[in-house]
Formats: sequence, structure tokens, C-alpha cells
Amino acid sequence: KAGVTQTPRYLIKTRGQQVTLSCSPISGHRSVSWYQQTPGQGLQFLFEYFSETQRNKGNFPGRFSGRQFSNSRSEMNVSTLELGDSALYLCASSFQGQGYEQYFGPGTRLTVT
Amino acid sequence: TQLLEQSPQFLSIQEGENLTVYCNSSSVFSSLQWYRQEPGEGPVLLVTVVTGGEVKKLKRLTFQFGDARKDSSLHITAAQPGDTGLYLCAGREAGGATNKLIFGTGTLLAVQP
Repeated sequence: KAGVTQTPRYLIKTRGQQVTLSCSPISGHRSVSWYQQTPGQGLQFLFEYFSETQRNKGNFPGRFSGRQFSNSRSEMNVSTLELGDSALYLCASSFQGQGYEQYFGPGTRLTVT
Repeated sequence: TQLLEQSPQFLSIQEGENLTVYCNSSSVFSSLQWYRQEPGEGPVLLVTVVTGGEVKKLKRLTFQFGDARKDSSLHITAAQPGDTGLYLCAGREAGGATNKLIFGTGTLLAVQP
């Protein structure tokens, strides 16, 4: 099976712009979670989607949003970018709703200038 | 808020040495996963432990889940340069209908040839 894929792999944006990141989970996986990784804060949970519904949300401002499509692919959007949004954004997929192992994609490296 | 503390934060050893990484929390987790991450890539799942007191072995790596499911350890025997990377523990919240993972602070391991 193909692994989790994320596009694009690298992105450079300017403060104030918005960005959309995409994640395709492993075939058959219905749960998709997003995480932000920075040197200072480590890996922090953004949100989780299961069957097109957001099931859990981390402690991030409303500028961070996401959605999941019927084919389980997911997108996350960050509006009004700030310098502090520069990070590696990771997507993880899991087979079922809970209690199953999560597999991560390679991430999207976002740089905000 | 559930937190996972890892120790040590950094470890530089010679090839052939043994090492142990610790992951501690005051909270109970329903399961705990260990990942290894290389620069610019997503975390790769090594193992999942679920039962208190459980021990799992993966070649030269031994993982243990504490009896109370609050802590875990990773022991590497005869480390090799290929073991170099960032080791992360991640716990799944107990009792929640979610796949949200709480990540540890990470241990950066460098194995010198």
C-alpha cells in the first residue's frame, strides 16, 4: 500500500497570505489528524477528522481550519499567515476511529517570510 | 493537560554502546507509541504498547510500558549509526473517542561510528 502523501512538500509564503495543505491518507484509512512541529514547541495536535467530521481540535487560533472529503482526503488552511506559523505540518492517518495506530506523511515545510 | 517528558533530551554515543530513553507522565494513557524521525521527514512508527507492564522487542530495540500506563522506556542494545535520529514517544488519551496523540519532548540520538 502507498503511504500517506502530503502536498506540497515545501512552501514559502508571505505574512498575511493564506495557504492550503493537502493530505491523502493510506487507502482504507478514514481518520486523518494534523500536527504542527516546531523546534520550540515540538509536535502539537491541530485537529482530527473522521468520516468528514471534525472530532477533536487542538489549542490553535481560528486561523487554522481543515476539512475532510468523502474519499478521506483532507486539507488544512491557514489564513492571515504569521511568522510564527513557519513549521513542519504533518498529517497522520489511521484505519478506524480510535485505538488504531497512526501513520505519518513526510510533512509540508511551510516558511513564512 | 497531559504532558509527556522525555529524557535525556540529547544523547551522543559511540557505536556498540547501549542506551535507554525514558518517557514519563503523571497521566494515564490507553496506549503509547514510539516513533523515530529523521530530518525533514515525518515520524516513522516503531511500536505500540497497550497493556501495563508490556514489553516488546524489535531486533535490538526493547520497549516497555509501565505497570500504571504512565511511563515507558526504549532500550537500544549495541547502537549503530543507522539508529541516529529523533525518538518520540506519543500517548493516546485514555477514555476519549479520538486518535489525538500527546507527543513527548523528544530525544535526539547521535551514534558515532
